[in-house]
Amino acid sequence: KNEVEQSPQNLTAQEGEFITINCSYSVGISALHWLQQHPGGGIVSLFMLSSGKKKHGRLIATINIQEKHSSLHITASHPRDSAVYICAVRSRRFGGGADGLTFGKGTHLIIQP
Amino acid sequence: DVKVTQSSRYLVKRTGEKVFLECVQDMDHENMFWYRQDPGLGLRLIYFSYDVKMKEKGDIPEGYSVSREKKERFSLILESASTNQTSMYLCASSLWDFEPTDTQYFGPGTRLTVL
Repeated sequence: KNEVEQSPQNLTAQEGEFITINCSYSVGISALHWLQQHPGGGIVSLFMLSSGKKKHGRLIATINIQEKHSSLHITASHPRDSAVYICAVRSRRFGGGADGLTFGKGTHLIIQP
Repeated sequence: DVKVTQSSRYLVKRTGEKVFLECVQDMDHENMFWYRQDPGLGLRLIYFSYDVKMKEKGDIPEGYSVSREKKERFSLILESASTNQTSMYLCASSLWDFEPTDTQYFGPGTRLTVL
């Protein structure tokens, strides 16, 4: 079973700061997801990646397969970025078929004005 | 836009009651999932289904069962609710994943309290 560790657990920063959230996993994966959960529970998928880097607006996600590590960066952070950010991995499986994700415990981010 | 809906946002039940949580998706997705989310533990997979009438146990299936009679609907059943099943329950769906980078689309969640 894959173990997924996120750091930090909690992060408070000032508006405009560059934010980094880290995710490490223990077993080789086929894909890694970054998810965002706002108060009220709704979860939105931000990125899926299996190699390299992806960018969407002020969000950048990177993954290092050899190191079993991924980072989520937020540039020019804003109070509306305040949310819980969750890393989830899909372990490498033989053959196809559905499989659930293994989740980290999440990073609670607060951006203060 | 993919839409995943859950039958209730908030539910309060008594110990021993049979509880049904319903999830419906409108994008003809083959895969559907039930997770629970608890503080300090994150999301954990209870059951998933990759086709009608097909189901697989996740990491924490004890005390739960599921039903998938139609492709768009995946039900989670608590046969005899207990207080330790008080939690946020999240449903998700995704396309059949021959590709490794499938997206899971989540419903809004049902916050269940068992008294």
